Amino acid sequence: GAVVSQHPSRVICKSGTSVKIECRSLDFQATTMFWYRQFPKKSLMLMATSNEGSKATYEQGVEKDKFLINHASLTLSTLTVTSAHPEDSSFYICSARDRTVGKNQPQHFGDGTRLSIL
Amino acid sequence: QQQVKQSPQSLIVQKGGIPIINCAYENTAFDYFPWYQQFPGKGPALLIAIRPDVSEKKEGRFTISFNKSAKQFSLHIMDSQPGDSATYFCAASIQGAQKLVFGQGTRLTINP
Repeated sequence: GAVVSQHPSRVICKSGTSVKIECRSLDFQATTMFWYRQFPKKSLMLMATSNEGSKATYEQGVEKDKFLINHASLTLSTLTVTSAHPEDSSFYICSARDRTVGKNQPQHFGDGTRLSIL
Repeated sequence: QQQVKQSPQSLIVQKGGIPIINCAYENTAFDYFPWYQQFPGKGPALLIAIRPDVSEKKEGRFTISFNKSAKQFSLHIMDSQPGDSATYFCAASIQGAQKLVFGQGTRLTINP
């Protein structure tokens, strides 16, 4: 159980393109999903917390207009990298928490999206 | 205060050995401490987690030791296998909050 699916797994596109990444909780409902960015051989950096039906909460230093987050349902959150540039190339990972379980329950992670901007 | 410091950065152990990865934190409000395993090109997978009211927790070959007074916790992998070669992250979160603070990661290699 507790499967999080992320799509696509890899994207290669030209500079200036906008890219949408989907994160789905397949067998549970998630009121909260999280978006992380990970550079090679580095730890996960939280970008934003996505709450179903409300605006996302962004971490300090993360551009809201660059990384658009939508959490329209209890099983789907999307991250759109707008007008992507080479410096946006990274590994983007989402996670979700099961809303039916109590506090401090684990985050379940997707398998990430490798974004490469040429 | 929100940091979780993890060491070592990399670790090489022979098959059957017991690698130990250590983490330390400052914020005493942290009350949930999970460990994640990540293989290249994949997302992190939860291995085991502990709360500060317990000093040790074991699940299969993985054991967490927790020292509340020292604000440290560690992961031990018993009878390590080459398939355990991965990057391991410790993390911490605050009761009622949702954000995880991750350690820097440890790249573990188990030689056959």
